[in-house]
Amino acid sequence: QITLKESGPTLVKPTQTLTLTCTFSGFSLSTSGVGVGWIRQPPGKALEWLALIYWDDDKRYSPSLKSRLTITKDTSKNQVVLTMTNLDPVDTATYYCAQSAGGSNAFDIWGQGTMVTVSS
Amino acid sequence: DIQMTQSPSSLSASVGDRVTITCRAGQSISTYLNWYQQKPGKAPKLLIYAASSLQSGVPSRFSGSGSGTDFTLTISSLQPEDFATYYCQQSYSTPRTFGQGTKVEIK
Repeated sequence: QITLKESGPTLVKPTQTLTLTCTFSGFSLSTSGVGVGWIRQPPGKALEWLALIYWDDDKRYSPSLKSRLTITKDTSKNQVVLTMTNLDPVDTATYYCAQSAGGSNAFDIWGQGTMVTVSS
Repeated sequence: DIQMTQSPSSLSASVGDRVTITCRAGQSISTYLNWYQQKPGKAPKLLIYAASSLQSGVPSRFSGSGSGTDFTLTISSLQPEDFATYYCQQSYSTPRTFGQGTKVEIK
């Protein structure tokens, strides 16, 4: 059974850095073709794709957020970490991690999400 | 970025109705199109991948079609548990953009 779970702070002050961890089980991020991505959703709004890291350490970012995002993986710990700098209240959202496997590049399995509020 | 445009943004339908949601890509994406269902307070769930392939465990009343720039998600007979928001997503190139969502409400 594949599961993913996000963890991190629920409240962050403006200008601070957010670090989110996705801890997963049931698959390995060293398996060819597998990736883990981050997606966010502001309250009442649509999904926004943020970043993706592949089994071979290929990293992809949303161009609009690229300067603020860093995605890394720790294969031995089954974790993917997303760092976002210079937080603003507009970054308030539920942040999801999800697995991408197979040729379709779809997000097959999602974590439950973690709500992050940016406020002073 | 490839822009994904869904229509309608919302719709009202009754149990048993046939429902169709469309998604248009800003450029050709072949069949790299996925559909997700999201219920309030829950994570999205993959329904359809590669435009027309049904994800394991998803009821057969859901189907997808299309290629290039125009795609559709069809629910053949709407069930009470289908009232949700549906998103399309292109996985042709990064950033793997989502549509703005279609909320399916009870009529």
